[in-house]
Amino acid sequence: QQQVKQSPQSLIVQKGGISIINCAYENTAFDYFPWYQQFPGKGPALLIAIRPDVSEKKEGRFTISFNKSAKQFSLHIMDSQPGDSATYFCAASSWTGGGNKLTFGTGTQLKVEL
Amino acid sequence: KAGVTQTPRYLIKTRGQQVTLSCSPISGHRSVSWYQQTPGQGLQFLFEYFSETQRNKGNFPGRFSGRQFSNSRSEMNVSTLELGDSALYLCASSSTTSYTDTQYFGPGTRLTVL
Repeated sequence: QQQVKQSPQSLIVQKGGISIINCAYENTAFDYFPWYQQFPGKGPALLIAIRPDVSEKKEGRFTISFNKSAKQFSLHIMDSQPGDSATYFCAASSWTGGGNKLTFGTGTQLKVEL
Repeated sequence: KAGVTQTPRYLIKTRGQQVTLSCSPISGHRSVSWYQQTPGQGLQFLFEYFSETQRNKGNFPGRFSGRQFSNSRSEMNVSTLELGDSALYLCASSSTTSYTDTQYFGPGTRLTVL
């Protein structure tokens, strides 16, 4: 079962535009929400993460918005650049009593055109 | 610091065979997690090891197993390979087993089952 739903599956944005990727989760025990960026031939790399005690977190051009009541969170990429073209995954985790376990969304392929 | 390394990078096997994949975590990291990445299912958690003990396990059949050595290096084994096991297998390491700790991914091992 897909516990983290991600949309859209693919996205094309013009250079300088805003890219927006949305995720929704079902498990209310989740309380850590990272975003990963993956380039072809590479493993995913952490981009930015948020805990539900804040509604927004910004790091450079990347912002996470979090809506706890709706169980939704989103990634905004401002001033999108061709170098941002990659696959983006949202993820969620919680204290399971056993350690690390990330539940990933299905991914969004972002293409930034000149 | 060297990143997470995985060997081999590519592997071709036939149905029914067995395969062993290797992961060397970042120096000092004691937690190693394994994920399977496929176009259809996305990134799915296999298991996590910390200090040579399996701390968490995903929903995969018993054909998938792993272990961790005293130097934190980890191996995963898949027995009786099926066509559906064709995937990118990713290893991630983190310094602790805290669920909010950043997980650093290796480039993966691309397994093709014929």
